[in-house]
Amino acid sequence: GAGVSQSPSNKVTEKGKDVELRCDPISGHTALYWYRQSLGQGLEFLIYFQGNSAPDKSGLPSDRFSAERTGGSVSTLTIQRTQQEDSAVYLCASSLGGLNTGELFFGEGSRLTVL
Amino acid sequence: GESVGLHLPTLSVQEGDNSIINCAYSNSASDYFIWYKQESGKGPQFIIDIRSNMDKRQGQRVTVLLNKTVKHLSLQIAATQPGDSAVYFCADRGDTDKLIFGTGTRLQVFP
Repeated sequence: GAGVSQSPSNKVTEKGKDVELRCDPISGHTALYWYRQSLGQGLEFLIYFQGNSAPDKSGLPSDRFSAERTGGSVSTLTIQRTQQEDSAVYLCASSLGGLNTGELFFGEGSRLTVL
Repeated sequence: GESVGLHLPTLSVQEGDNSIINCAYSNSASDYFIWYKQESGKGPQFIIDIRSNMDKRQGQRVTVLLNKTVKHLSLQIAATQPGDSAVYFCADRGDTDKLIFGTGTRLQVFP
């Protein structure tokens, strides 16, 4: 498709389980972001990939969170040993990168519910 | 560290009136600012941007004003319509390429 695609759109899991969230960015976009949005809240930066550079992981809330981007395209956000406070919508965005980082194209998000 | 915040969490306006959404930022090194609109259940969508060498930029029914002296940014929506109802976020690019988003302002348009 032409836009950013995220899967799953909804995920319900039990506390303590691991989850993987996937993001397919727009073809040709070198920058990829993950944000977290709790109910009624703003966007919390998690991690940023730009080309072949080392990712900016400064927003990851704990070592239970990790992300990778294979081949400079698809990205997977992994949350290990999920906790109830991890419940949120996880948004992925991509952009052309560099000086054009302003216009991020967001996916619809993956809503995670931890019971 | 840098932060981007908003003055009002909710703004209610009558259809046809102009809306003004405000945003404050703290990083004087920020050189690029963006406004996003997020409708319920969707990802944010880009509205308009402005670079630090500008004070004003206009789009279709929207205008962004930047006051670097007081580190303030505003989004003006002319003739607000029901379809403008959404949460509006300002975002800031500071020392790095990553964008930091503010908390958001909910705009409610009533007839």
